[in-house]
Amino acid sequence: DAKTTQPNSMESNEEEPVHLPCNHSTISGTDYIHWYRQLPSQGPEYVIHGLTSNVNNRMASLAIAEDRKSSTLILHRATLRDAAVYYCILRVGPYNTDKLIFGTGTRLQVFP
Amino acid sequence: GAVVSQHPSRVICKSGTSVKIECRSLDFQATTMFWYRQFPKQSLMLMATSNEGSKATYEQGVEKDKFLINHASLTLSTLTVTSAHPEDSSFYICSARDAEGTNEQFFGPGTRLTVL
Repeated sequence: DAKTTQPNSMESNEEEPVHLPCNHSTISGTDYIHWYRQLPSQGPEYVIHGLTSNVNNRMASLAIAEDRKSSTLILHRATLRDAAVYYCILRVGPYNTDKLIFGTGTRLQVFP
Repeated sequence: GAVVSQHPSRVICKSGTSVKIECRSLDFQATTMFWYRQFPKQSLMLMATSNEGSKATYEQGVEKDKFLINHASLTLSTLTVTSAHPEDSSFYICSARDAEGTNEQFFGPGTRLTVL
């Protein structure tokens, strides 16, 4: 199974940008990069995903390295509600038969 | 975004009993649903992939006779933990793929199972 490597934890102050890194050196050409986050005792929440190009949505931005072996999730202004475990996941497999394999994730703490 | 519900949100049962957990996609049809298990302080572990109208595909090491999965309709999948034991206590989470839309997986809120 495709694997990702993330730091165990990161810290940020409120209203500062946060860059969450992820390494996925074994990624193949058709694997999508997904980010989900999970608050305590809740199911994961979709954040963003991409294939090759950088992506932006209302929650975050995803910067993908040119060789696709790493990516960075960018929260432009962290809030206390952004404190969660962030999972970088490779979606592997053909369309409609693919699955998500979760890694250990990064626990983000946000301080007021 | 698409909404997935789970019922019950938490359940406590005696050892040896069976527990059924429901996963519903509320505003979309899901031909594929997934079941995960999460122990405290750990990541989600994929247990099985549930396809509407066919048998579930289980991940390696997951006992299919212990974790019965039924996906009888496009909006409902059930996970039954049979003859539950304390080591089955965990947070069970389902997700549903919106195959008609973005092909993204949307997760339910999870079910906390405690086996006494």
